[in-house]
Amino acid sequence: KNQVEQSPQSLIILEGKNCTLQCNYTVSPFSNLRWYKQDTGRGPVSLTIMTFSENTKSNGRYTATLDADTKQSSLHITASQLSDSASYICVVSGYNFNKFYFGSGTKLNVKP
Amino acid sequence: EPEVTQTPSHQVTQMGQEVILRCVPISNHLYFYWYRQILGQKVEFLVSFYNNEISEKSEIFDDQFSVERPDGSNFTLKIRSTKLEDSAMYFCASSDRDSLNSPLHFGNGTRLTVT
Repeated sequence: KNQVEQSPQSLIILEGKNCTLQCNYTVSPFSNLRWYKQDTGRGPVSLTIMTFSENTKSNGRYTATLDADTKQSSLHITASQLSDSASYICVVSGYNFNKFYFGSGTKLNVKP
Repeated sequence: EPEVTQTPSHQVTQMGQEVILRCVPISNHLYFYWYRQILGQKVEFLVSFYNNEISEKSEIFDDQFSVERPDGSNFTLKIRSTKLEDSAMYFCASSDRDSLNSPLHFGNGTRLTVT
């Protein structure tokens, strides 16, 4: 069964600190993996997209890594800001890359 | 920056009524999607649409659901006879090409409440 699991479910960190969010997937065959940021009451916004041949991709303070062999990805946030408080969702697509499998998200709360 | 717009932002309807959720995708995009998110749960794929036809649909997208691109700019989701369990946030998304690196652009959703 194609699944995407994220951990932790929620995370509280202090402003300025770094954090790493995890994503494990069983989607096969694998096409690409995306990380999205979803603010409360808003639609998800794309942060990174990685194909099976990419190991790492950065977008400002966000760095995503991918290990297609172990089917794991991480999203590292550097020097967190209050505006980073949101849900971060891992999304994986398989052979039909118009169909996406969503994780449940990690709810990040950055405190001053 | 162009964005996907959805209307209304909140729709309240009675069980059994028909609702139409509207979306205006980004103008040069060719691929369109509907997703839903029940409160507190993960985002679920409903349907993808390309070249005026459904390209993929999930098991959620049963005969009560239909999509249409009536005029080249709007993309609508119709629920014929709403049920209580249809209450959710419905997101429209679009992308400009069917490639591995096309980002999906999401609207801010329509919150549907079925009473």
